Amino acid sequence: DAGITQSPRHKVTETGTPVTLRCHQTENHRYMYWYRQDPGHGLRLIHYSYGVKDTDKGEVSDGYSVSRSKTEDFLLTLESATSSQTSVYFCAISDSWGNEQYFGPGTRLTVT
Amino acid sequence: KQEVTQIPAALSVPEGENLVLNCSFTDSAIYNLQWFRQDPGKGLTSLLLIQSSQREQTSGRLNASLDKSSGRSTLYIAASQPGDSATYLCAVRDQGAQKLVFGQGTRLTINP
Repeated sequence: DAGITQSPRHKVTETGTPVTLRCHQTENHRYMYWYRQDPGHGLRLIHYSYGVKDTDKGEVSDGYSVSRSKTEDFLLTLESATSSQTSVYFCAISDSWGNEQYFGPGTRLTVT
Repeated sequence: KQEVTQIPAALSVPEGENLVLNCSFTDSAIYNLQWFRQDPGKGLTSLLLIQSSQREQTSGRLNASLDKSSGRSTLYIAASQPGDSATYLCAVRDQGAQKLVFGQGTRLTINP
């Protein structure tokens, strides 16, 4: 299995609070991705990174920001959590563009 | 806009049977297609990656085929086992795109 960890694994937070999810990899892969998984929508890309300090938006980026200050860490921040951001969040990594993506175990976030 | 469909949504078969899972996509200009399995409450495990120039890929009891012109891929599982029970997802990457576009998955149950 690819060395990907996500923290926390579960979180319950209140509407309006900021939340940061962390993805950590030990594979030294260049590309990192954040997806969310929702019933009826499947998995959708939020943001991705193609190197340290290099990030770009995915298809559902509103309300989210990311940062990558080190190769191994990719942070996803919900500036002000809303109930619509209740979801399971997955981090993925890839060693180069177009190559196989490997997924982390996920973080289940509930916004009350 | 690429759309990926997996039919049926659920499939139940007795142990030992060979089976085929289907994935169809609307835009044939894909770069590659990836098959995953997801166990309940877990992350995605990559099974096979098939490039647009390839017709099939094999890994153990799994064989994935790709027919780009007809917008279809199949995942063949030989001699199914209860441990194969999971949700199977296919995802396509379009030419020049960063994101994977996922299908909704087929929930497979292998009955002992």
